[in-house]
Amino acid sequence: AQSVAQPEDQVNVAEGNPLTVKCTYSVSGNPYLFWYVQYPNRGLQFLLKYITGDNLVKGSYGFEAEFNKSQTSFHLKKPSALVSDSALYFCAVRDMGRGTGRRALTFGSGTRLQVQP
Amino acid sequence: EAGVAQSPRYKIIEKRQSVAFWCNPISGHATLYWYQQILGQGPKLLIQFQNNGVVDDSQLPKDRFSAERLKGVDSTLKIQPAKLEDSAVYLCASSFINEQFFGPGTRLTVL
Repeated sequence: AQSVAQPEDQVNVAEGNPLTVKCTYSVSGNPYLFWYVQYPNRGLQFLLKYITGDNLVKGSYGFEAEFNKSQTSFHLKKPSALVSDSALYFCAVRDMGRGTGRRALTFGSGTRLQVQP
Repeated sequence: EAGVAQSPRYKIIEKRQSVAFWCNPISGHATLYWYQQILGQGPKLLIQFQNNGVVDDSQLPKDRFSAERLKGVDSTLKIQPAKLEDSAVYLCASSFINEQFFGPGTRLTVL
């Protein structure tokens, strides 16, 4: 079974400061990892993904994430936070699969990011 | 390109009533998913379709939930009868290869 842990319910950061939202995962095989953002009354918006290759992945809106296989982590980062980054962030994982065709994502419980002016 | 469409956006019903949600995926996306997102939690898969076939419905409460994708394009999710604990946002997503694109969701309140 696959699982995702987001240990922080909320992260507070001042505008202009760097931010990190933590995520650790567990899968039986090699992982596909994703970050999504959710604004109020809206669906999930894709930020970035790790499939293979470079451990540092760059995504939308200046976000990036670092894949660390030994620590089974995929933390989301941004060098300089904006007030408009305030939202709910979800980390998700799926196993690369064994030919079953199952591609559903397993999501963490979410981390609310609050950026203060 | 148009995104994933869902309707209705909001629905309020009383327990034991039935309700149906509709989803139209992004054109050309063969895979369609229904997720349930309870307040304060991450989305959880209910069912995955590949074209018009079911790939994974292991977490679908089949005594009350049903879903279909008859022509391999749009899909409906039905709950009958609804329970209080079904109050949630129901998200539809579609994918071509790896990345899933989500619709705005239907917020269901069961009174």
